[in-house]
Amino acid sequence: DQQVKQNSPSLSVQEGRISILNCDYTNSMFDYFLWYKKYPAEGPTFLISISSIKDKNEDGRFTVFLNKSAKHLSLHIVPSQPGDSAVYFCAASDAGGTSYGKLTFGQGTILTVHP
Amino acid sequence: DAGVIQSPRHEVTEMGQEVTLRCKPISGHDYLFWYRQTMMRGLELLIYFNNNVPIDDSGMPEDRFSAKMPNASFSTLKIQPSEPRDSAVYFCASNYPGGTEAFFGQGTRLTVV
Repeated sequence: DQQVKQNSPSLSVQEGRISILNCDYTNSMFDYFLWYKKYPAEGPTFLISISSIKDKNEDGRFTVFLNKSAKHLSLHIVPSQPGDSAVYFCAASDAGGTSYGKLTFGQGTILTVHP
Repeated sequence: DAGVIQSPRHEVTEMGQEVTLRCKPISGHDYLFWYRQTMMRGLELLIYFNNNVPIDDSGMPEDRFSAKMPNASFSTLKIQPSEPRDSAVYFCASNYPGGTEAFFGQGTRLTVV
């Protein structure tokens, strides 16, 4: 049973445009959500997160939206840059704040930003 | 800090051999996690420690897998005997209590032939 799903394996976007990556989850116990970015041959690196008590969190070009009723979150990147090309993982935690490293990951979405 | 350090970066071994993967967490972090990434199952949590004590090992696939954390600065993940289906990238991660993200190492790519 896949509790965190990223239904789009890949996304291609023109430089300067918006990239929208989507994620759905099924476990109502998840209380914290994160996005990680991964380049080839490297480990995932943290990008942005959101608590379940919020519906939006913004950090520079990156914004995460959470719709709890729909069990859906999305990552918006505006404007997209070629350096954003990577695999993006959605992750969720049900650790209740004890450790946000105990994560359930989605399958990832490969983002390609064309110059 | 140099970040989470894993060794080796690549390991190729023959089926049936013992494999030991190593991890040095970030100093001061008292949570340590072992994840595995495969094409079929994606990134999945195998086991995690808090203050060197295993808290949840429900993700460890079989008894062939074992993990230890003898001190705050070192952990091992051992597979004995190894099988071809264990081929994957193994990541170690750490974070501090209340920290809102885990920091990952660069991973060990294991190939069992």
